[in-house]
Formats: sequence, C-alpha cells, structure tokens
Amino acid sequence: DAGVIQSPRHEVTEMGQEVTLRCKPISGHDYLFWYRQTMMRGLELLIYFNNNVPIDDSGMPEDRFSAKMPNASFSTLKIQPSEPRDSAVYFCASSLAPGNTEAFFGQGTRLTVV
Amino acid sequence: DAKTTQPPSMDCAEGRAANLPCNHSTISGNEYVYWYRQIHSQGPQYIIHGLKNNETNEMASLIITEDRKSSTLILPHATLRDTAVYYCIVKIGGSTLGRLYFGRGTQLTVWP
Repeated sequence: DAGVIQSPRHEVTEMGQEVTLRCKPISGHDYLFWYRQTMMRGLELLIYFNNNVPIDDSGMPEDRFSAKMPNASFSTLKIQPSEPRDSAVYFCASSLAPGNTEAFFGQGTRLTVV
Repeated sequence: DAKTTQPPSMDCAEGRAANLPCNHSTISGNEYVYWYRQIHSQGPQYIIHGLKNNETNEMASLIITEDRKSSTLILPHATLRDTAVYYCIVKIGGSTLGRLYFGRGTQLTVWP
C-alpha cells in the first residue's frame, strides 16, 4: 500500500479564495482524521470520520472550514474563504477499526494564504 | 489540556542509547501511553504503545513505571535519522485517536 496520500503537497492562494485539500486513506481503514499544524498551536485535531460519517468536528475552527468523506477512499477539507491565519500544514491520517492500533499519517499539505 | 510533560529538547551521540522521559501523573487506568515521532517536514510516525507492561519492537523499547505515572522511550542505538520531535501521548484504550493531544514533544538531536 502506498500509505495515506494527500494532495497537493503545497498550495499558495490569495486571501478570499477557496482552497480544497484532498486525502486518500489506506485501503481498509475505517477512521480518517484531519489535523492542522502551526508553530503557535502545534498539532491539532480538526475532525475525524468513522465509516465516512463525521464523528467529532469540534476542532474545526469556524464555519469557513468544512470536511467531507463521500466514500471510503476519499476525503476533502475545504476552506472558503481562506485567510492568512489559515496558513499551516494540514495532515490527514487513517487507522483501522477501534483498538490499540496505530494511525498512519500522510505527508501533509503546506498551505500558504497571502 | 496537556496530559503529558516532556523536556523540550535532548541530544544524543550517534550509536548511543537515547532515553526520552515522559510524565503522565494523571493517567487513568484505561489509558495507554503512545509514542509518535515527527521528522522534519513529514507526518507523524507511530513508534510504540503500552498499558502497564514494558514493550519492545523493532524501533524502540517503552518502559512504564509501576505506578504508571511516567515512562521512558528508549532508542537503543540512535542514528542521525532518529533526529525528530518525539511525542508522548495518553489515549483511552479501545477508542480511536479521537481528541488526541500531541503536545509540544521533545526535539531529539542525534549528533555524529
């Protein structure tokens, strides 16, 4: 398996534009997580899905952020409109069904909003 | 809220053992201790986890004190590629990562 795949790896956009980040989890993993990492706040969980259903979105900073998982092999994180303070590295991770299992992280998308 | 306390940085000579401490004095009986690391510009990588017994795998060993209030991650023969930020995390067993708190971790620098 190629692991968790995120795209794009880098994104530079202007303030006010819509940004869509994409994630393909490892096949067979029932859980998908979106994290954001900044120097100020470290690694924060934004939202996670179980079997394509959002379970906990309390980490989503505001209504400008939305996430979807239309099927087991694809998820998106959308920011509309984007702001400079959204600049961060966004990670997607996936794991197997509950248990003492590890999570596998993608390489991340570095987002810069100018 | 932080559930773990780690030193912000440590260094280690290549080939020597790296011992990374972690305090988790408020850990509950059903919470596991997990270790992840993050090499610069990459996503976090799972290392090892345990409940109360010591654990060992191909990457590292995890030593948990009898009262479970602290633990130590041991990299037996550190290499330059082990330079990374190491995160100690407590997690309720049987659940997903959920609201996992990564904290600031320990920056381990392995020098030649």
